[in-house]
Amino acid sequence: QKEVEQNSGPLSVPEGAIASLNCTYSDRGSQSFFWYRQYSGKSPELIMFIYSNGDKEDGRFTAQLNKASQYVSLLIRDSQPSDSATYLCAVRVGGTSGTYKYIFGTGTRLKVLA
Amino acid sequence: GAVVSQHPSRVICKSGTSVKIECRSLDFQATTMFWYRQFPKQSLMLMATSNEGSKATYEQGVEKDKFLINHASLTLSTLTVTSAHPEDSSFYICSAREEGLALDSYEQYFGPGTRLTVT
Repeated sequence: QKEVEQNSGPLSVPEGAIASLNCTYSDRGSQSFFWYRQYSGKSPELIMFIYSNGDKEDGRFTAQLNKASQYVSLLIRDSQPSDSATYLCAVRVGGTSGTYKYIFGTGTRLKVLA
Repeated sequence: GAVVSQHPSRVICKSGTSVKIECRSLDFQATTMFWYRQFPKQSLMLMATSNEGSKATYEQGVEKDKFLINHASLTLSTLTVTSAHPEDSSFYICSAREEGLALDSYEQYFGPGTRLTVT
C-alpha cells in the first residue's frame, strides 16, 4: 500500500470553476500535510500546509484535513489557466528535527481550460 | 524568502563517470537537507536525508556507495553520482529546512533541480 495516494488525473476544469484535489495517507500518526505545485521541468513550490483538522484558507486556495479519515484535500477557487500544473500532496512522517522525512504522492495533473 | 540554489542546473555525462551536484542555502542555515530524485511523470522519491556534520540517512533501495552525500557546512550539501549509468538519468532536487523555526511555521525550501543525462 502506497503511503500517500493521489489520483494522477488529468483533472480538467473550466476557467473560473472550483478544482478539487484529493489525497489519502496511510500513516495515522502523521501530523503535517503539504500541498505543492509543480510546473513541468521545475521544482515544487509550496502552496499550503495544514496541521489541524478542518479548513485552512489562503486566497483562492483552501486545504481541508480529516485525520480520522486520513484524508487531505486542496480546493482551488476561480481556477485560472495558470493553475494548470501537477499538484503534489506530501506528508511529513517521523519525529523530531533530523529524524523526519517527507513522503510525496504521485501528483494530480490539473488542466484549467480557457 | 529563503533561497536554495543548485549547481549545475543541467549536466550531461558519459557512462562510467562521476557527477557532483551542489545544493546551497543562500540566506539561511540548514542543518538538514533532503535529496530527491524524480523520473518523468513520476513523483519525488526521497533518496536520503543529509545532516550537517554526520552521515546521511539513505532510504531503502538507495545505494549509499553510489550516491555519496556530504553535508560539510550549514549551507552546503553535495550529492555525487558515482559511475553513472543511463538509468541514473533523472531530475535531482534538493531541499533544505531553515532551522530555528517553530513547528507551525515549518516548510522546506526546494532548489531548482538538476537535470542529469547519462549517455
